[in-house]
Amino acid sequence: QVQLVQSGAEVKKPGASVKVSCKASGYTFTDYYIHWVRKAPGQGLEWMGWINPKSGGTHYTQKLPGRVTMTRDTSISTAYMELSRLKSDDTAVYYCARYYCGGDCYIDYWGQGTLVTVSS
Amino acid sequence: DIQMTQSPSTLSASVGDRVTITCRASQRISDWLAWYQRKPGKAPKVLIYKASSLEGGVPSRFSGSGSGTEFTLTISSLQPDDFATYYCQQYNNYPYTFGQGTKLEIK
Repeated sequence: QVQLVQSGAEVKKPGASVKVSCKASGYTFTDYYIHWVRKAPGQGLEWMGWINPKSGGTHYTQKLPGRVTMTRDTSISTAYMELSRLKSDDTAVYYCARYYCGGDCYIDYWGQGTLVTVSS
Repeated sequence: DIQMTQSPSTLSASVGDRVTITCRASQRISDWLAWYQRKPGKAPKVLIYKASSLEGGVPSRFSGSGSGTEFTLTISSLQPDDFATYYCQQYNNYPYTFGQGTKLEIK
């Protein structure tokens, strides 16, 4: 069965960087894009961007200019999201999600989420 | 950016009730809309994609409709497991955007 398993919770200081991993299993990793979405406390869901695991191509939201980088390692079916120059309002649960395309296209499976806390 | 406006933001209902949640897009998005259910501490779960297509394994009491700018999610007969927060998401234009959520509470 399809699974996306994310790395564990992180606590970071303002100005630092965080890198969250997302290991895919149960399907061919390079077949479908991986999207990243975050949920800050008291806020709604915020889409961050995607990576094409086959080509490494990416598309990011313009709301995080120059701060987000998505990469992948196809040898271990893992996607990564790195967020730099962290601020307190980056405190959120970060999710990876698979963008399934098989006739219709949509986000179907989600990782369990990774809590990133930014605090001095 | 396309703004997605959900209403109501909170909904109190009882088991067995029929409920409807509305999502309005600030511009036309054809039928590129999904509905998700999220429970505290859990990952979102897709219920509906392409506005009205039911995801496999999702109970048939969930249904979606709409096209263009106005969409609805209907739960025909609420079950105890349905009390959660529901989000719509448009995926017609970047950045993909979500509604602010509708919290479905037990009356």
